[in-house]
Amino acid sequence: GALVYQYPRRTICKSGTSMRMECQAVGFQATSVAWYRQSPQKTFELIALSTVNSAIKYEQNFTQEKFPISHPNLSFSSMTVLNAYLEDRGLYLCGARDQTSNSDYTFGSGTRLLVI
Amino acid sequence: GQQVQQSPASLVLQEGENAELQCSFSISTNQVQWFYQRPGGRLIGLSYIPGMKPTGKQTSSTVTKGRHSSLTISSSQTTDSGTYFCVLNNNAGAKLTFGGGTRLTVRP
Repeated sequence: GALVYQYPRRTICKSGTSMRMECQAVGFQATSVAWYRQSPQKTFELIALSTVNSAIKYEQNFTQEKFPISHPNLSFSSMTVLNAYLEDRGLYLCGARDQTSNSDYTFGSGTRLLVI
Repeated sequence: GQQVQQSPASLVLQEGENAELQCSFSISTNQVQWFYQRPGGRLIGLSYIPGMKPTGKQTSSTVTKGRHSSLTISSSQTTDSGTYFCVLNNNAGAKLTFGGGTRLTVRP
């Protein structure tokens, strides 16, 4: 079946430093990858949607300068949180789907970021 | 943009009770998914086809019509506790919009 492995599961970084999280799709082609953030006590906000061979689309309030994303092939994507501060803490989730087969999203287990 | 409203925001059940979680959207669609988030974070898909029994959780069912979807949890168990998200799929852009979630607590 379709699986998405996301790592690390948890991470702590000092304020002002950066951290990178990665997602690996197994069993299907991840033509589209969506990155979400769930801030404490809130729902999931879409950060950006990446489609292989297309430009990455960032949502309002999220920028490439702050959350650079790489999606180099059909099985891997990474996102970095640059210059992290307290308001960046939360659960970051990647979801991947095969757009060519119109499949549903499969989500990773999330990366919980704590900023100290 | 499209909006997804869920109700109630939180719910407490005694084990064995049933519940119906509601979701409404700003556009008419049948591209709705329900997800369950365990305490601790992992999202689990509950349903992919409106009205069909979802995999992995046989005591729940969904109905989606027009601008509304509902998730029914039957014979609740303490292990059903967590947050349930209704998610709208913008099929044109493959973009998912999450509702605010319903936090469910099932007491023994």
